[in-house]
Amino acid sequence: DTEVTQTPKHLVMGMTNKKSLKCEQHMGHRAMYWYKQKAKKPPELMFVYSYEKLSINESVPSRFSPECPNSSLLNLHLHALQPEDSALYLCASSQLTPTRETQYFGPGTRLLVL
Amino acid sequence: AQKVTQAQTEISVVEKEDVTLDCVYETRDTTYYLFWYKQPPSGELVFLIRRNSFDEQNEISGRYSWNFQKSTSSFNFTITASQVVDSAVYFCALTPETGANNLFFGTGTRLTVIP
Repeated sequence: DTEVTQTPKHLVMGMTNKKSLKCEQHMGHRAMYWYKQKAKKPPELMFVYSYEKLSINESVPSRFSPECPNSSLLNLHLHALQPEDSALYLCASSQLTPTRETQYFGPGTRLLVL
Repeated sequence: AQKVTQAQTEISVVEKEDVTLDCVYETRDTTYYLFWYKQPPSGELVFLIRRNSFDEQNEISGRYSWNFQKSTSSFNFTITASQVVDSAVYFCALTPETGANNLFFGTGTRLTVIP
């Protein structure tokens, strides 16, 4: 089973709202990722968690706050977003081995910031 | 530095035609991994194939085939007898052996299969 689930599928929020995106996988993967994808562009890496610890933060603004409560869950907390943050947010997971393992993606959350 | 180039922005074919999506990459790593993902309108990135740099064997999976040529730094993807369900954006991506497990994506090729 190579399933990564994400909730919600769609989210509309105002610039003063606080919301969270959730990602879950039950494949035993120990690396989890958040990507942001704007229309007609490839996904851009935001954060990487390895063994529940933040290992990469690609200079993402602090209004995005990731959290990895356990090895199966990954959250992205959103606060005071801007309209330009509207995008598709993709979660992915992979095994952690000496070689580069495949990242499996969830269906994404389409975020609209008004 | 890593770079993946997908020169074809959009391709349209008529159903049952064969189509090849091009991917050219740049990396200084001697060991690296190449991927193809499909992104249908629903948005999910669907994994299609992973290829190691030390394995130049071409691969066929049903109507899909991949041609990996290290000499030209290319990893092309061919769909035989295309179907409407193949309509999607296809991304080629690279991960080097060194550094973090980052996926470096090309800009994608939008394939439209016309019935």
